Amino acid sequence: EDQVTQSPEALRLQEGESSSLNCSYTVSGLRGLFWYRQDPGKGPEFLFTLYSAGEEKEKERLKATLTKKESFLHITAPKPEDSATYLCAVRVYTGGFKTIFGAGTRLFVKA
Amino acid sequence: GAVVSQHPSWVICKSGTSVKIECRSLDFQATTMFWYRQFPKQSLMLMATSNEGSKATYEQGVEKDKFLINHASLTLSTLTVTSAHPEDSSFYICSARGLRSRAGEQYFGPGTRLTVT
Repeated sequence: EDQVTQSPEALRLQEGESSSLNCSYTVSGLRGLFWYRQDPGKGPEFLFTLYSAGEEKEKERLKATLTKKESFLHITAPKPEDSATYLCAVRVYTGGFKTIFGAGTRLFVKA
Repeated sequence: GAVVSQHPSWVICKSGTSVKIECRSLDFQATTMFWYRQFPKQSLMLMATSNEGSKATYEQGVEKDKFLINHASLTLSTLTVTSAHPEDSSFYICSARGLRSRAGEQYFGPGTRLTVT
């Protein structure tokens, strides 16, 4: 069964304390992996798309990487405004396209 | 650019009534729109995908007669929850893609919180 697992469920950091969020997947027919940011009570905001192992994408303090089994979202020197839930999703093709979301990692950054 | 709006942002309705939620792409033409629901502290669950001018494709387990989706124009899709019940209470979010969207890129609306009493 296709599955996407994000860890940790919640992460508390001090401002400036770099860390990584993990998204592991067991799927067949991967067609892309996506990262989103979601603030409470709002819709997700698209961050990155990764297609193949070894690929990396960066945006401000965020850097996403992809291997054959997992993706990492690295946060360098986070600020309080980076506090949000970060969602990972994979797009697979098994006779038809399907997008599967992980449960998310809630990040809290304290000043 | 790529702004998606939803209306209403929240709605309370009585059990047995129907409620319509609108999703609009404000500055681009949305060839594909997606409808999700999200329960508290849970991830997004895709309900259906709709392409402009054609019938929506529903995910397995989603009742198409209960959740009516219309995508009549390139800027508007509607989700109607018919004969709503308390278990339909949830956060409904739409997203949209246009012809120029990069693969996998979706622009999400702010969501609509539905409470059925």
